[in-house]
Amino acid sequence: AQSVAQPEDQVNVAEGNPLTVKCTYSVSGNPYLFWYVQYPNRGLQFLLKYITGDNLVKGSYGFEAEFNKSQTSFHLKKPSALVSDSALYFCAVRDSGAGSYQLTFGKGTKLSVIP
Amino acid sequence: NAGVTQTPKFRILKIGQSMTLQCTQDMNHNYMYWYRQDPGMGLKLIYYSVGAGITDKGEVPNGYNVSRSTTEDFPLRLELAAPSQTSVYFCASTPGRTDTQYFGPGTRLTVL
Repeated sequence: AQSVAQPEDQVNVAEGNPLTVKCTYSVSGNPYLFWYVQYPNRGLQFLLKYITGDNLVKGSYGFEAEFNKSQTSFHLKKPSALVSDSALYFCAVRDSGAGSYQLTFGKGTKLSVIP
Repeated sequence: NAGVTQTPKFRILKIGQSMTLQCTQDMNHNYMYWYRQDPGMGLKLIYYSVGAGITDKGEVPNGYNVSRSTTEDFPLRLELAAPSQTSVYFCASTPGRTDTQYFGPGTRLTVL
């Protein structure tokens, strides 16, 4: 079975400071990893993904994430937070094995960027 | 492209009533998904489809049914609504198994 853990329900950061939203995962095979963002009363929007290749993945709106196989982590980062980054962030994983179609989401981390 | 559209946006049902949540995508994606989102619980997969005529259960399928007669449409049917089905429902689609999922705006359902 595959699973995702987002250990922090909420992360507060001052505007202009770097931000990190943590994610760890568990799959039996190799992982496909995703980050999505959800603004209030909206659907989820894709930020970035890791399928294979370079461990550092760059995505939309200046976000990036680093795949760490030994620590089974895929933390989301941004060098300088904006107030507009305040939203709910979801990490998701899928096993790369054939026949695996289900994406498993974490519970989400609420990011608040304080002006 | 309109992307993924869902109707209705909001609905209130009485216990025991039935309804169908509509989902349509105009991107010619093969894969479609239905999720429910409960506060603090992330998204749970209800059903998914890998193509027209093919559907399969996800993590929380009880109380729901789906069909996929066309590539574009993937309706979710609730039979005998229960308060436990109060949630926000999201439909999503993707062209392939490793690809990004595109989400609809959601349907907020309340069962009283």
